[in-house]
Amino acid sequence: AQKVTQAQTEISVVEKEDVTLDCVYETRDTTYYLFWYKQPPSGELVFLIRRNSFDEQNEISGRYSWNFQKSTSSFNFTITASQVVDSAVYFCALSVSNYGGSQGNLIFGKGTKLSVKP
Amino acid sequence: DTAVSQTPKYLVTQMGNDKSIKCEQNLGHDTMYWYKQDSKKFLKIMFSYNNKELIINETVPNRFSPKSPDKAHLNLHINSLELGDSAVYFCASSPTQNSNQPQHFGDGTRLSIL
Repeated sequence: AQKVTQAQTEISVVEKEDVTLDCVYETRDTTYYLFWYKQPPSGELVFLIRRNSFDEQNEISGRYSWNFQKSTSSFNFTITASQVVDSAVYFCALSVSNYGGSQGNLIFGKGTKLSVKP
Repeated sequence: DTAVSQTPKYLVTQMGNDKSIKCEQNLGHDTMYWYKQDSKKFLKIMFSYNNKELIINETVPNRFSPKSPDKAHLNLHINSLELGDSAVYFCASSPTQNSNQPQHFGDGTRLSIL
């Protein structure tokens, strides 16, 4: 079975704090892809990053960084020096190559609502 | 230019009615999807189409019927609306059905059933 767990339902921080959003996934496939999406209060879904199962390098993009660890099936997302504009719901998602014809579909976690207060 | 556009943005209607949501993408993508986001923000795939052909139907009631007149459009028709259909519906597209490609989402259609 494929599953994505985001155990943190809501996180509240004060501006300039660092915050890490956790994501744990389950799959039996050896080839899979992990994604993070952001959903700001306006409601749209914004793609942030994709990582494939063969690439465990961490990635940094500005204040955002991602830590992929296959040993713990985790793909965590850290925002450094958070800002009010980072307030949003963040979704981790999994896509697998072989799943009874459902390849390509995104399996989402339940999301983590991040509130950054000034 | 909007990449994936859905209309309408808001839809309020009564139980039992039939309604449609339209989706168009101008990215030249082959694959399009419909997702449902419930009141707890949980997002779940409903359908996917590749080059106008259905490839995924995730146990959605047959009151929901997607229609793809061409690969740039995937419309969602819902018959006999029920209270539980209230949700935000997102259309998305990707270059192909390969699982490595990020999906581009529309802004969502908020459906409210009275």
